[in-house]
Amino acid sequence: DADVTQTPRNRITKTGKRIMLECSQTKGHDRMYWYRQDPGLGLRLIYYSFDVKDINKGEISDGYSVSRQAQAKFSLSLESAIPNQTALYFCATSKGQGLAGYSYEQYFGPGTRLTVT
Amino acid sequence: GENVEQHPSTLSVQEGDSAVIKCTYSDSASNYFPWYKQELGKRPQLIIDIRSNVGEKKDQRIAVTLNKTAKHFSLHITETQPEDSAVYFCAASIRNSNSGYALNFGKGTSLLVTP
Repeated sequence: DADVTQTPRNRITKTGKRIMLECSQTKGHDRMYWYRQDPGLGLRLIYYSFDVKDINKGEISDGYSVSRQAQAKFSLSLESAIPNQTALYFCATSKGQGLAGYSYEQYFGPGTRLTVT
Repeated sequence: GENVEQHPSTLSVQEGDSAVIKCTYSDSASNYFPWYKQELGKRPQLIIDIRSNVGEKKDQRIAVTLNKTAKHFSLHITETQPEDSAVYFCAASIRNSNSGYALNFGKGTSLLVTP
């Protein structure tokens, strides 16, 4: 089955370290997204990409960067991790919007639980 | 940024009762409103969505209503079952500068259905 995968699934790192979270998809979708989830705060958008040459900042992009290496791959980097970046990170994908301008369902990966000590 | 407000944050109902979760949005350009269910330790999954050209959509025990004028939409679950216990997120599409849409999520409602 076509899916969205994330690596690693769990990671513990120290303050100041650089870390990369990777997302791959076999759904053939153009659009990819990175969210972080914190208890009581829901899903907050970090970055999103509508195609390989397109990168957009989301609500909480400070301290993060992304790379869209191919249609199927979208990586999230923390250049210098800090403890308040401890969270559950989700990647998601969707088809491009249709002719009527409506968005489509987003499909989420299994998540990466990141702990920064 | 544009906000999506979701209420209540927690909801406890008895099995067989109905559950209603409400969301409001602020961006008048929003045209797509999905609802996601997230079970403990799992990824969010779409359960129902509605586009701005309709006012109501139903799928078995779940339904969503949309009031564009008031900028609010609601999820209705009838005949609740213990397996409906989960966190539910509403979302509204937000338009970016490139004329594309991303999603802005509410903070979630933790629903507990007790037998």
